[in-house]
Amino acid sequence: RKEVEQDPGPFNVPEGATVAFNCTYSNSASQSFFWYRQDCRKEPKLLMSVYSSGNEDGRFTAQLNRASQYISLLIRDSKLSDSATYLCVVRNSGNTPLVFGKGTRLSVIA
Amino acid sequence: SQTIHQWPATLVQPVGSPLSLECTVEGTSNPNLYWYRQAAGRGLQLLFYSVGIGQISSEVPQNLSASRPQDRQFILSSKKLLLSDSGFYLCAWSVVRNTEAFFGQGTRLTVV
Repeated sequence: RKEVEQDPGPFNVPEGATVAFNCTYSNSASQSFFWYRQDCRKEPKLLMSVYSSGNEDGRFTAQLNRASQYISLLIRDSKLSDSATYLCVVRNSGNTPLVFGKGTRLSVIA
Repeated sequence: SQTIHQWPATLVQPVGSPLSLECTVEGTSNPNLYWYRQAAGRGLQLLFYSVGIGQISSEVPQNLSASRPQDRQFILSSKKLLLSDSGFYLCAWSVVRNTEAFFGQGTRLTVV
């Protein structure tokens, strides 16, 4: 079983739609969770950290379910500029490297 | 503020040639440093990481090596490139203890 699994997509949604991405992780000792965004042929950039209580940043909401080892990202009112690949990322302990999922591709269509 | 520099942005190298990619971080001390590779259409694969000068952990046995000669400098090398070494190489840094990592702009390597 892969450490971090994501639905690869692509998700093709119209502007204004709400879209949700899911991610599961295999290591129950994982401590930190993030969503990164990667535009085509660019480096990944941090979108948001994911906290146990869930957190929101504008149109983006991230949730963590430790019991199910499940992370989600919700994007409301999708914009064309949201088109990118969204990477689910986990860190197992303080000094260990980040483990990346393969990403979910989103295309927002006018 | 912290910045990470990675160069070159693009590289075309023949099979069997050597490789040296350099990454430097500014504005922080004793960062954790990482080299990742992303092959076309695939996820990020961790190659090496370092928690201090001269300390290198290798995740994937292959013909690549890494060195950290200075606190904020991380170098990826190969003595003889293979076609399968083509990919997008990304350097990243983080501070310790459960924090996110920040990436350089990457080097797109094509081995021909």
